[in-house]
Amino acid sequence: GIQVEQSPPDLILQEGANSTLRCNFSDSVNNLQWFHQNPWGQLINLFYIPSGTKQNGRLSATTVATERYSLLYISSSQTTDSGVYFCAVDGYNQGGKLIFGQGTELSVKP
Amino acid sequence: EAGVTQFPSHSVIEKGQTVTLRCDPISGHDNLYWYRRVMGKEIKFLLHFVKESKQDESGMPNNRFLAERTGGTYSTLKVQPAELEDSGVYFCASSQDWGRNGYTFGSGTRLTVV
Repeated sequence: GIQVEQSPPDLILQEGANSTLRCNFSDSVNNLQWFHQNPWGQLINLFYIPSGTKQNGRLSATTVATERYSLLYISSSQTTDSGVYFCAVDGYNQGGKLIFGQGTELSVKP
Repeated sequence: EAGVTQFPSHSVIEKGQTVTLRCDPISGHDNLYWYRRVMGKEIKFLLHFVKESKQDESGMPNNRFLAERTGGTYSTLKVQPAELEDSGVYFCASSQDWGRNGYTFGSGTRLTVV
């Protein structure tokens, strides 16, 4: 099956800093989504981005499908950005189920 | 439109007890999925319904877990009897068209087995 690898596994930032999270996947995909799991455990959908670039406020994401990777950019980080960021893909012939990476645990210090 | 709703949001039960989690998908979404994140590990697929039928239940860990989706609307996931290793966050998601336009997740149920 498809393998999804995220890097880095952990990241500590000072408030106001920028960061880039990476997601590599091993095969062509139908769908790619970025999620944020906040400290209360809720899973928040950030981007549905099987290809191209999208921006939402301080967050943006780029997926280069031909090279099988996606990047999530966080600018001017805030303490509320803390939590775990997951990348998930839905491959062709996967029957419509998402395969998640291991996540990047982000901690933003005031 | 209303999102995917899960309840309870948090459940604490003793080992050996039974717990039932509920998920209400977005109206009109035929596809409903259960996932879970246990012990701080990655989020893993449990099963997939298309309407009331189980399309894929390959991720169900063992026969202590039973999922149903009567009438193709809401779904329940029962754990009986619960074990300590079942603790984690259980997520439900729904989609149209097999995820071609993305998946919408609920806020999850945090299950703690003591």
